[in-house]
Amino acid sequence: SQQGEEDPQALSIQEGENATMNCSYKTSINNLQWYRQNSGRGLVHLILIRSNEREKHSGRLRVTLDTSKKSSSLLITASRAADTASYFCATDVAGNQFYFGTGTSLTVIP
Amino acid sequence: DAGVIQSPRHEVTEMGQEVTLRCKPISGHNSLFWYRQTMMRGLELLIYFNNNVPIDDSGMPEDRFSAKMPNASFSTLKIQPSEPRDSAVYFCASSGGVRETQYFGPGTRLLVL
Repeated sequence: SQQGEEDPQALSIQEGENATMNCSYKTSINNLQWYRQNSGRGLVHLILIRSNEREKHSGRLRVTLDTSKKSSSLLITASRAADTASYFCATDVAGNQFYFGTGTSLTVIP
Repeated sequence: DAGVIQSPRHEVTEMGQEVTLRCKPISGHNSLFWYRQTMMRGLELLIYFNNNVPIDDSGMPEDRFSAKMPNASFSTLKIQPSEPRDSAVYFCASSGGVRETQYFGPGTRLLVL
């Protein structure tokens, strides 16, 4: 499969703590995206990082990309109960569409 | 913009019946994607269109599934005949290009009895 694989599958933390989830992929990519899905809703785009970028920030989100290890991480700082959701990485293979991973289910306990 | 619109939001049908799911992409978007999500299999890409043309339908489970995009503002996913294992949430997404950010609709929750 060319899909990204998220790790861990599930994560439970206390409000205010940082949450880190990882994504590994198999083939060279152009871009990697992170999406969030609240229960019963569609996916919402969070951030895109290109293969020539190593780190990107958006508010409380920090994404890193290590193309040599074929991996990316999503860090959510100062987590809130509203961050409870599933998080997916999506990787593209050169010239093709994005493939979504299996997701990390994050629970933030108030 | 209203975002991606899907209808119906919920569908309950009996095995053997025809099911038609509908999607209106965001105006101006060139690419449209149909996904299926289940607990067991996660999010699966079924088919995607670029400029109304089907590009990759390798994810379509079998001949019972068909998708059309007659114009830039409308797409359908049809299941005929439906089976209980087709029960899932079906998402439509659109984007400005095949490798651009995808905007998802709210999904259609399908239950086949």
